[in-house]
Amino acid sequence: ETGVTQSPTHLIKTRGQQVTLRCSSQSGHNTVSWYQQALGQGPQFIFQYYREEENGRGNFPPRFSGLQFPNYSSELNVNALELDDSALYLCASGKGDTDTQYFGPGTRLTVL
Amino acid sequence: QQQVKQSPQSLIVQKGGISIINCAYENTAFDYFPWYQQFPGKGPALLIAIRPDVSEKKEGRFTISFNKSAKQFSLHIMDSQPGDSATYFCAAKRAAGAGSYQLTFGKGTKLSVIP
Repeated sequence: ETGVTQSPTHLIKTRGQQVTLRCSSQSGHNTVSWYQQALGQGPQFIFQYYREEENGRGNFPPRFSGLQFPNYSSELNVNALELDDSALYLCASGKGDTDTQYFGPGTRLTVL
Repeated sequence: QQQVKQSPQSLIVQKGGISIINCAYENTAFDYFPWYQQFPGKGPALLIAIRPDVSEKKEGRFTISFNKSAKQFSLHIMDSQPGDSATYFCAAKRAAGAGSYQLTFGKGTKLSVIP
């Protein structure tokens, strides 16, 4: 186990709705990254937070947003859900002075 | 643009055999190359990682071989076991500012180890 937890495990939403996914980082970690993994594909980088500020963003539209809290937990918010947003959403945490990232188990989002 | 190309897409190996998965990258700014193992319904788990100034790294049955000039790296799993059956991803991190950890992943290799 990596010590990174995510909630909920599964989620079903309809097109146009909004969703919030949560991640609790491993103790002592001050960075958190979010990835989207479509079925049969590798994870795609959405964005990263370091010391509560966005510190890099992948090729995702602004309706994907996030927050990192002082206790280093994090949220991923997705507005105006589209069918193609159906995927496994992964968060990964790490320490600012190392390269190792540890992934959580993911949240499976289904958009109908 | 796919910056990390992984092959093969799927691999079947007999128990006790050697599994070999290959990756190639384009961006010379990458400075860290991890391999992740993922079981169905689980998140990726870090297996082993290497930096470009090292040509080989071994941890137990897992070895990474790295060829900087060819911009290629590979994962070798010795004495493959049925419990190794999973999807394997290579990844690469681009050198950036403090706390920057953007990983670019390959598309994955589904390994099946048959008894």
